[in-house]
Amino acid sequence: AQSVSQHNHHVILSEAASLELGCNYSYGGTVNLFWYVQYPGQHLQLLLKYFSGDPLVKGIKGFEAEFIKSKFSFNLRKPSVQWSDTAEYFCAVNNAGNMLTFGGGTRLMVKP
Amino acid sequence: SAVISQKPSRDICQRGTSLTIQCQVDSQVTMMFWYRQQPGQSLTLIATANQGSEATYESGFVIDKFPISRPNLTFSTLTVSNMSPEDSSIYLCSVGLSGADTQYFGPGTRLTVL
Repeated sequence: AQSVSQHNHHVILSEAASLELGCNYSYGGTVNLFWYVQYPGQHLQLLLKYFSGDPLVKGIKGFEAEFIKSKFSFNLRKPSVQWSDTAEYFCAVNNAGNMLTFGGGTRLMVKP
Repeated sequence: SAVISQKPSRDICQRGTSLTIQCQVDSQVTMMFWYRQQPGQSLTLIATANQGSEATYESGFVIDKFPISRPNLTFSTLTVSNMSPEDSSIYLCSVGLSGADTQYFGPGTRLTVL
């Protein structure tokens, strides 16, 4: 069975700081990788996804993620966070057509 | 993407009762899923709602507790039966576009069981 781990449960940053949220998965085959974001009081939204090709994918709102196959990782990054990035971030994996497995989530708080 | 709505958005229910949650999509989709997000936790897949056949349940979830209907390609319901306080969660439906590889989520139903 596949599993997803997010290393940081809570992250607090000041505005303009750089962000990197870790995500590792355990599955040996082909995977599709996702980052979802849940802003306070809002529903889950797709931030970005990786299926194949360039391992550096760019998503909405200046976020990007890099797939490193050898490390089974798909870390989320943003060079300069804003207060509006305060949210919970979920990494998720599926093995090409199968169910989505979510990580435990990382709560990001950005101080103005 | 798809526009997904859920009803009710929230409810407070008494122990032992049942609640049916509706999920409506603005386009026909093959794959629909139901998830649970318990307080402070991540999302857990309950089942895949298959149109024209019985739902496929994940380990730890059974049809008697969470019966699901999928009468057509735009609609599904999840019933939480014989509720207990442990069922207090947010229940979300999602739809799979491009096969099931990308899922889009509804706004969720926040259920509190007293």
